Amino acid sequence: GQSLEQPSEVTAVEGAIVQINCTYQTSGFYGLSWYQQHDGGAPTFLSYNALDGLEETGRFSSFLSRSDSYGYLLLQELQMKDSASYFCAVRASEKGSQGNLIFGKGTKLSVKP
Amino acid sequence: EAQVTQNPRYLITVTGKKLTVTCSQNMNHEYMSWYRQDPGLGLRQIYYSMNVEVTDKGDVPEGYKVSRKEKRNFPLILESPSPNQTSLYFCASSPWDRVYEQYFGPGTRLTVT
Repeated sequence: GQSLEQPSEVTAVEGAIVQINCTYQTSGFYGLSWYQQHDGGAPTFLSYNALDGLEETGRFSSFLSRSDSYGYLLLQELQMKDSASYFCAVRASEKGSQGNLIFGKGTKLSVKP
Repeated sequence: EAQVTQNPRYLITVTGKKLTVTCSQNMNHEYMSWYRQDPGLGLRQIYYSMNVEVTDKGDVPEGYKVSRKEKRNFPLILESPSPNQTSLYFCASSPWDRVYEQYFGPGTRLTVT
């Protein structure tokens, strides 16, 4: 089967750095995406890695290692507004289709003062 | 303003009463998809559409129907809702070549009693 594993909760303090890991088991892997969702809101896209390495977007960076089926989201200079749930997602094609998106169960990040 | 809209935002209904949740996007996106979100289970894909008249099952399609007669609209139909379909539903869209970057609607909270 296809699955993504990420920690359910992470706590960090304001100004710190936090890393949210995601390991995946899928077929037809096309790349790893990350989404942020605040309580009561809709998910919003953060970043995408199709190839191995680090992608940086401001305070957020995302990393992918295809050989290890592993990626992470790195949040630097944490702010209170970063308190949210973070989801990794992969586009898989176990059934031969190209539009099947699979999400992890999410990591709830709590940023403390 | 570029957006995905869903209606209704909140719905309470009874078992067996057919309902439709509408989804519309104004970004000329080819790809559209429906997800349900349940506590502890993350986002699970119900159906998706790569373009007009092209739909395919996601991971949890049982009990749902979709149609894609126009590019901008992708309604979700529950022919005979049951209590286990009580959930938060999100519609999303993207260009066909950026499926990893989904734009989500605000969500529809459905309760089936």
